[in-house]
Amino acid sequence: QSALTQPASVSGSPGQSITISCTGTASDVGGYNYVSWYQQHPGKAPKLMIYDVNNRPSGVSNRFSGSKSGNTASLTISGLQAEDEADYYCSSYRSSNTLYVFGTGTKVTVL
Amino acid sequence: QVQLQQSGPGLVKPSQTLSLTCAISGDSVSSNSAAWNWVRQSPSRGLEWLGRTYYRSKWYNDYAVSVKSRITINPDTSNNQFSLQLNSVTPEDTAVYFCARVAATGNDFDPWGQGTLVTVSS
Repeated sequence: QSALTQPASVSGSPGQSITISCTGTASDVGGYNYVSWYQQHPGKAPKLMIYDVNNRPSGVSNRFSGSKSGNTASLTISGLQAEDEADYYCSSYRSSNTLYVFGTGTKVTVL
Repeated sequence: QVQLQQSGPGLVKPSQTLSLTCAISGDSVSSNSAAWNWVRQSPSRGLEWLGRTYYRSKWYNDYAVSVKSRITINPDTSNNQFSLQLNSVTPEDTAVYFCARVAATGNDFDPWGQGTLVTVSS
């Protein structure tokens, strides 16, 4: 069950924008609009930030946005804030016996 | 507002069975509009979906290929909760285990339980 590929780390200064990529295959990211993104602070459970590629749940800041092109999805955080420092994971539905796959995770550092 | 509360032992001996429970508030394990999942997280394997149970006129289960021969996820309608059993554990099963809800209309995990660190060690 191969994980989706994310960069290990991304950093930016307060106020800047950063983008995290999530690369899969035609059997997951590229085949369905079922990509979601999660924020995880140390010792905490993941929190849903984006669902169905580009939708924000109620209560999530509009500084978070998602997109997809082919087999690669992206999460953009604009106006970076100190509280955004966390690990971020993508996830996708997959057409296989293992229904869901997660990304390898990206550590976001606010400089 | 749906909330999930996990319980279960944090230490399991090799070859024994890992058992965890996830209690649901704000929704029903028998809901036709949700599926109830287990996910684990470890440094070596990252986040890994393990399986789900859901009710659509009857009960269904789906399991990840990696654990299919060892896993059982059961609903407990009397207590509005669901459980995870993982048999024949090894140190590789050491991880933080989470329960999570997936709505029938989507494929995203929300909310999550608080997580339980399970260590497999003698």
